Amino acid sequence: DAGVIQSPRHEVTEMGQEVTLRCKPISGHNSLFWYRQTMMRGLELLIYFNNNVPIDDSGMPEDRFSAKMPNASFSTLKIQPSEPRDSAVYFCASSLDRDLGYTFGSGTRLTVV
Amino acid sequence: AQKVTQAQTEISVVEKEDVTLDCVYETRDTTYYLFWYKQPPSGELVFLIRRNSFDEQNEISGRYSWNFQKSTSSFNFTITASQVVDSAVYFCALTLQGGSEKLVFGKGTKLTVNP
Repeated sequence: DAGVIQSPRHEVTEMGQEVTLRCKPISGHNSLFWYRQTMMRGLELLIYFNNNVPIDDSGMPEDRFSAKMPNASFSTLKIQPSEPRDSAVYFCASSLDRDLGYTFGSGTRLTVV
Repeated sequence: AQKVTQAQTEISVVEKEDVTLDCVYETRDTTYYLFWYKQPPSGELVFLIRRNSFDEQNEISGRYSWNFQKSTSSFNFTITASQVVDSAVYFCALTLQGGSEKLVFGKGTKLTVNP
């Protein structure tokens, strides 16, 4: 079991550029979560999917953020255009309904300059 | 809505001291699950424990122990004989039901264990 895999681990980009973060959940898990961690706001949920369907995207900051889950083994979080205030660590997590374990990826540290 | 409060922002102790991290939660549901995660300086989130609302038994795992009290809506975490390697940010979290529901996190408590 390779765990939840996120890429890239680090991303530095210039303001205004498009950024795409990627996540591969654990095989067989049917729920996927995107979290953002900042010093000011802590760990906040951005969006989560169940069986590839977005269930709650109320945490998505604004229209510049979008997330997709085209299949059970892949999800993306896109920021377009990026801004310096988007700098944070973005975590992806997955879980299985019958099992209450939430497994987190190693995170993507995004820096927008 | 669910809420998790970790009132202690930072705690500093000397090695071998016992330390308790507080967690208070809010929910109107009768079925819920509580978690503790550890985030060491390397940044990953490490699962420590999961407890459901119907099981108020305290749990001990080595130097770690957890005290769940529904009467006070608290799920406190104690580290006995702390070690430098325990230095990390610890998060308490709540979810309402199965793994399809979101985890709501507290703000975390940064624990520093000094030699």
